[in-house]
Amino acid sequence: AQSVTQLDSQVPVFEEAPVELRCNYSSSVSVYLFWYVQYPNQGLQLLLKYLSGSTLVESINGFEAEFNKSQTSFHLRKPSVHISDTAEYFCAVTLTGTGGFKTIFGAGTRLFVKA
Amino acid sequence: GAGVSQSPSNKVTEKGKDVELRCDPISGHTALYWYRQRLGQGLEFLIYFQGNSAPDKSGLPSDRFSAERTGESVSTLTIQRTQQEDSAVYLCASSSGSGTGVYQAFFGQGTRLTVV
Repeated sequence: AQSVTQLDSQVPVFEEAPVELRCNYSSSVSVYLFWYVQYPNQGLQLLLKYLSGSTLVESINGFEAEFNKSQTSFHLRKPSVHISDTAEYFCAVTLTGTGGFKTIFGAGTRLFVKA
Repeated sequence: GAGVSQSPSNKVTEKGKDVELRCDPISGHTALYWYRQRLGQGLEFLIYFQGNSAPDKSGLPSDRFSAERTGESVSTLTIQRTQQEDSAVYLCASSSGSGTGVYQAFFGQGTRLTVV
């Protein structure tokens, strides 16, 4: 069965330190990959996505993720985090097939940036 | 509409009562999802619609929960005989298989359900 695994439920990190939020998926078909972010008391919004082309994708606020097909991973990274990056991050995979398409979400990783 | 709309935004109900939550997806979006998010927790998948059919309803926690979608548009999630453990934010998302934002899930602001 297809699934999305976010290996860390919580990641505490100091401000200006690098961070990596891990995401692995299981699927035997082509996938499209997404990271969504939920800031405190706000709704979920798209952070970045991979549909095709370059396997390294970036967001406007300095996050990046790399699609690794052989390792079935789409880890999210930022070289230097800010207090304002404190949020919950969700990895998602969209699968396509004859019946249409379906998106599966991971359970989420709570990033807590400390001063 | 411009985005996914959910109503009501807040609902307080007494234990044992039935509640109905509504989701208006973005026009033309064929896929629609319902999730539950308990306080401080991640997303819990409930049900997925493709058009008006529900190929995956595996996440519905009990037979007290049901959902339907009509006209490839509005969806309602019904919880019968509510229990305190049903208290959570219920989120709806919709997505399209074509066009700008293909496969991206657009979320509503959610309905905060409190069972007292």
